[in-house]
Amino acid sequence: LAKTTQPISMDSYEGQEVNITCSHNNIATNDYITWYQQFPSQGPRFIIQGYKTKVTNEVASLFIPADRKSSTLSLPRVSLSDTAVYYCLVGDRARGGSQGNLIFGKGTKLSVKP
Amino acid sequence: AAGVIQSPRHLIKEKRETATLKCYPIPRHDTVYWYQQGPGQDPQFLISFYEKMQSDKGSIPDRFSAQQFSDYHSELNMSSLELGDSALYFCASSLGRPSKGSGGYNEQFFGPGTRLTVL
Repeated sequence: LAKTTQPISMDSYEGQEVNITCSHNNIATNDYITWYQQFPSQGPRFIIQGYKTKVTNEVASLFIPADRKSSTLSLPRVSLSDTAVYYCLVGDRARGGSQGNLIFGKGTKLSVKP
Repeated sequence: AAGVIQSPRHLIKEKRETATLKCYPIPRHDTVYWYQQGPGQDPQFLISFYEKMQSDKGSIPDRFSAQQFSDYHSELNMSSLELGDSALYFCASSLGRPSKGSGGYNEQFFGPGTRLTVL
């Protein structure tokens, strides 16, 4: 599975746009990029998944450049409730024994301040 | 909407005791995953089941075993508990077996977790 690198922590203020970048230089052709959010003492929650270019849903946007060696999760106008750990996962569900199970690396702890 | 149910939510055990954690997936979900998250750690995959058969195995100790029953609920059995087993244990469920072909992850829905404390 592709190794991912994210900032350990980020600070932001309410109402700002937050961009969290994930590096995955060894991404394979069939790999997808998936982001999960985890609040303290709660299970992770799926945010968004993409393969290339841009994906947008009601929660976030995911930008993936042409070389796919990095990706950026964009959270528009964050609020205090967006304070959480954000995980970037890269892989293909059918490859390397990962039959869909998620391999979490070190996530980014986002702190949103008033 | 119905979510993943885990029981118990909290469990306190002594060293060398046994524990059983239960997971009830979202209705119609046929795949269950177990994850362990130690204090200050990231979630680690333990084991998964699809249609009552073990699908994949991660860093699950030999002291642990798990199964998925006919109603799709799953149980994680932990024996000879050690202090290091103290952690949050999450169960997640998803719909549909990952195909042999490529593709993104099936979205996993996580339960609230069981906090196990071993004294």
